[in-house]
Amino acid sequence: DTAVSQTPKYLVTQMGNDKSIKCEQNLGHDTMYWYKQDSKKFLKIMFSYNNKELIINETVPNRFSPKSPDKAHLNLHINSLELGDSAVYFCASSPGWKNIQYFGAGTRLSVL
Amino acid sequence: DAKTTQPTSMDCAEGRAANLPCNHSTISGNEYVYWYRQIHSQGPQYIIHGLKNNETNEMASLIITEDRKSSTLILPHATLRDTAVYYCIVRTPRDSGGSNYKLTFGKGTLLTVNP
Repeated sequence: DTAVSQTPKYLVTQMGNDKSIKCEQNLGHDTMYWYKQDSKKFLKIMFSYNNKELIINETVPNRFSPKSPDKAHLNLHINSLELGDSAVYFCASSPGWKNIQYFGAGTRLSVL
Repeated sequence: DAKTTQPTSMDCAEGRAANLPCNHSTISGNEYVYWYRQIHSQGPQYIIHGLKNNETNEMASLIITEDRKSSTLILPHATLRDTAVYYCIVRTPRDSGGSNYKLTFGKGTLLTVNP
């Protein structure tokens, strides 16, 4: 019954690798988001999709590429991972204009 | 974008009311105040939001001053499970307008509920 689910929960990988994080929501929401929370605990938005269309892209390196196969899924692919990519990544969804966002449990990415 | 100022940390005794303040003196007329919290190692959780009137739901109450320059989140009977970082956020509209907004999280207030 998890509303917003992310996989994997933990991801440990080497520098230079390519990895993906998956997100699915079963709330019927139109809008999905990716946030990054760094070691200082700042939570920053990276991307937002509405009905599979990219609407927010916040100064994120183009090594990060979101993909939305349908409005219930928003995946995040990261190429050529760097040490600075180590963080917790949160997926969220919202029912459009109400902007009450529901967050997943997060994916803790560690780049070694 | 309207900025918010919150105390870095607060303590509260279990069973007592927790009152978390937030200043947002540059808020504009059509911006809402949202409150979220993040319990350790979990994703943020929506609590409540409001525009100008006081609001109450099953989790908390939100008191917004008449000039809208500050607000207070009230947890009426704090429990140990309410220990979390609480974020006061003023909703920022998309640059190009439209119905999809982004939330900008600040540092928040770490509320520690003590037994």
